[in-house]
Amino acid sequence: AQTVTQSQPEMSVQEAETVTLSCTYDTSESDYYLFWYKQPPSRQMILVIRQEAYKQQNATENRFSVNFQKAAKSFSLKISDSQLGDAAMYFCAYRTDYGGSQGNLIFGKGTKLSVKP
Amino acid sequence: NAGVTQTPKFQVLKTGQSMTLQCAQDMNHEYMSWYRQDPGMGLRLIHYSVGAGITDQGEVPNGYNVSRSTTEDFPLRLLSAAPSQTSVYFCASTPSGGTGTYEQYFGPGTRLTVT
Repeated sequence: AQTVTQSQPEMSVQEAETVTLSCTYDTSESDYYLFWYKQPPSRQMILVIRQEAYKQQNATENRFSVNFQKAAKSFSLKISDSQLGDAAMYFCAYRTDYGGSQGNLIFGKGTKLSVKP
Repeated sequence: NAGVTQTPKFQVLKTGQSMTLQCAQDMNHEYMSWYRQDPGMGLRLIHYSVGAGITDQGEVPNGYNVSRSTTEDFPLRLLSAAPSQTSVYFCASTPSGGTGTYEQYFGPGTRLTVT
């Protein structure tokens, strides 16, 4: 079974600094998708960034970028120029279209990020 | 578009009571799912549906029932509430049957407390 592990329950960063959140996963599939979701105190789940496993190029979205290491099964999120509004719970998630789990997201347990002014 | 809507936002139940959490989406998405979120556990899949009339179990289905009679609606039923079902519940939907790189769109969540 696929699993997603976020080894950092909590992280802290100074405003305007850079922080990296870690995520590793376990799968026997070669084709899959990886996501980072942000959950602010409002509880709303917001997609931050996504990566297709067949793409070698790391995804970027403005201040957010990933370091995708397929062989190591690692998918870390880098937040540059951190802002107070980045404070939230961040979830790493995995999905494959194979093995009878069509469409189902598997989530890590989350990393709570706090941003210090 | 309203996106994914959930009602109610908050609910308190007594042990043994039953209730239905409502979920609706107006994006014509084929795939819909229910997750529960508990502290330190992330989101875990309860049930999902890849289209009207088709449902299947996720990781934690016990104590919950679902049906999908229309594309738009995917209600989650608690038949006999237990304190272990105290949680935040999220409904989500995805286009194209859930395959591909499409993101899941989440509702605002329902906080359920069972006393």
